[in-house]
Amino acid sequence: AQSVTQPDIHITVSEGASLELRCNYSYGATPYLFWYVQSPGQGLQLLLKYFSGDTLVQGIKGFEAEFKRSQSSFNLRKPSVHWSDAAEYFCAVGGRDDKIIFGKGTRLHILP
Amino acid sequence: SQTIHQWPATLVQPVGSPLSLECTVEGTSNPNLYWYRQAAGRGLQLLFYSVGIGQISSEVPQNLSASRPQDRQFILSSKKLLLSDSGFYLCAGNRGAHEQYFGPGTRLTVT
Repeated sequence: AQSVTQPDIHITVSEGASLELRCNYSYGATPYLFWYVQSPGQGLQLLLKYFSGDTLVQGIKGFEAEFKRSQSSFNLRKPSVHWSDAAEYFCAVGGRDDKIIFGKGTRLHILP
Repeated sequence: SQTIHQWPATLVQPVGSPLSLECTVEGTSNPNLYWYRQAAGRGLQLLFYSVGIGQISSEVPQNLSASRPQDRQFILSSKKLLLSDSGFYLCAGNRGAHEQYFGPGTRLTVT
């Protein structure tokens, strides 16, 4: 069965520090992978997506993610976080049926 | 680009009352449409999805129903709300791409 695991419920980093949010997935075929961000009380915004090709994908707001098939992972990274990056981040996996399975999210806190 | 609109933004309803949440899509035609419910710490749960007018698939048995009376309109309903129906409801759509685009959500509190 398809599933997505985000092992960290909360992460706290200092402003200007680097960030890595972990995501592991289970999927029987080549997956479509996504990272979304959600500010409190808002909808989800797509940060980046991986369908095929280069395993390092660039997204909006300075984020990137790397697809590692051998580890079934799709971790999100940013070299230097800003206070405005505080939000909840969702990793998701999809396939050809146009349904997406979401992880439970990681809430990012930024220390000034 | 497609834009998803939802209303109302917030709603407080008593137990046993009916519910109607509306989602409309702008900027595309014949989209796939989705209703999700989000509970704190539990991620997003897919409730319904639709590939066209009158075509609704239910993902989980529950107290809710969905309808798609027009190509760009998707409605989430209930005849009698339960306390457990409280949550944040999100509508999403896609058209010709695998990623989904989300509306701003509706916060429903059942009292």
